[in-house]
Amino acid sequence: DIQMTQSPSSLSASVGDRVTITCQASQDISNYLNWYQQKPGKAPKLLIYDASNLETGVPSRFAGSGSGTSFAVNISSLQPEDVATYYCQQYHNLPLTFGHGTKVEMK
Amino acid sequence: EVHLVESGGAMVKPGGSLRLSCAASRVTFSHVWMSWVRQAPGKGLEWVGRIRSKVDGETTDYGTAGKGRFTISRDDSKDMMYLQIDSLKVEDTAVYYCVTDGVYATTFEYWGQGTLVAVSS
Repeated sequence: DIQMTQSPSSLSASVGDRVTITCQASQDISNYLNWYQQKPGKAPKLLIYDASNLETGVPSRFAGSGSGTSFAVNISSLQPEDVATYYCQQYHNLPLTFGHGTKVEMK
Repeated sequence: EVHLVESGGAMVKPGGSLRLSCAASRVTFSHVWMSWVRQAPGKGLEWVGRIRSKVDGETTDYGTAGKGRFTISRDDSKDMMYLQIDSLKVEDTAVYYCVTDGVYATTFEYWGQGTLVAVSS
């Protein structure tokens, strides 16, 4: 199975801060990588697909990057509504696997 | 927008069985691949498995935890998907989400609200 390692596991930042979450795959997955946002008590929501494409309706302050084994999602200016847990997910191989999540909190 | 509603979650004893259901609407259900994703309390997401559309063979794939004990099926005449879980274990305790796979089956596009399965003696 492909292991997805996210870091940090949690972070606390202020409104307006730039936030970076990274995701490392245990083998080359090209750009077969998605990001999901899960707000407290809610189902996850697709945020970014194919490593760098924003899902329709996602604010432009979010940006995805990377290929191969190293990926990142950046929030250019953190907003209160961005408080959530973020997960990366690979679809290069079965079984489909997720990272363990990064919890983003507001300072 | 696509609407998914899961049902069938319950508290069950270890060794028992359960069938979860997912009702889909506002989607051409017969065309979509569908997945189950679960989330243990306070934990991350885990892909349980998926079922392809009939035109793609209606075949199934399972994640590591689901092999052998989980069976995914669908009834396109009712726009329904099912997850049969046998020999339930305490570690199967989780919210189970019904999810549509995206157009190219590369994303988890639409999610239901989830149904809770609690396994405890």
